[in-house]
Amino acid sequence: DAMVIQNPRYQVTQFGKPVTLSCSQTLNHNVMYWYQQKSSQAPKLLFHYYDKDFNNEADTPDNFQSRRPNTSFCFLDIRSPGLGDAAMYLCATSITGGRNEKLFFGSGTQLSVL
Amino acid sequence: KNQVEQSPQSLIILEGKNCTLQCNYTVSPFSNLRWYKQDTGRGPVSLTIMTFSENTKSNGRYTATLDADTKQSSLHITASQLSDSASYICVVTQRGSTLGRLYFGRGTQLTVWP
Repeated sequence: DAMVIQNPRYQVTQFGKPVTLSCSQTLNHNVMYWYQQKSSQAPKLLFHYYDKDFNNEADTPDNFQSRRPNTSFCFLDIRSPGLGDAAMYLCATSITGGRNEKLFFGSGTQLSVL
Repeated sequence: KNQVEQSPQSLIILEGKNCTLQCNYTVSPFSNLRWYKQDTGRGPVSLTIMTFSENTKSNGRYTATLDADTKQSSLHITASQLSDSASYICVVTQRGSTLGRLYFGRGTQLTVWP
């Protein structure tokens, strides 16, 4: 009964080769987030969508882009992956992004860059 | 600077024993604090939320405490089980923004041995 689904679980790409990670949700939540989590580090917010409104974090590199074609799906595009982009990428949702709402996370996509 | 610090970084205990994880934060103004459990290779799952007026809250074998004056929280696990082996992440929400700004700790990696 997965509610936030990320595909693939593991992704291997080559240095500089574009890659797309996908996330889908069955919760009909308004807000979708993309986090980057490196080993033994806290998740770092890259950007989020409130409905169709895209909100980029100030320190998110231009190399990272996102698309949300509809409520259910959200994509993370890495245009030219570098070795430093190897990480776990977590997608999360919340109903409206309210302060007391919890986040629902997917299982993540572990990205390796060769 | 808004920060969330967790200790210890890692912890090993024997099955059946109790343990306490610590979270100190400087996030201001404070809205709430959540503890998440993250199994290896999975996304975090919310265990409990603490708001400003709450001192203690239990969820099964998990008991969270909050001291808003000293800006400290703890997560106590009673009668640990092998399935408790995971990373426990403290997340503090900042009050004042429409979409609550979240600050993540790096987590405490708990290993329960038989």
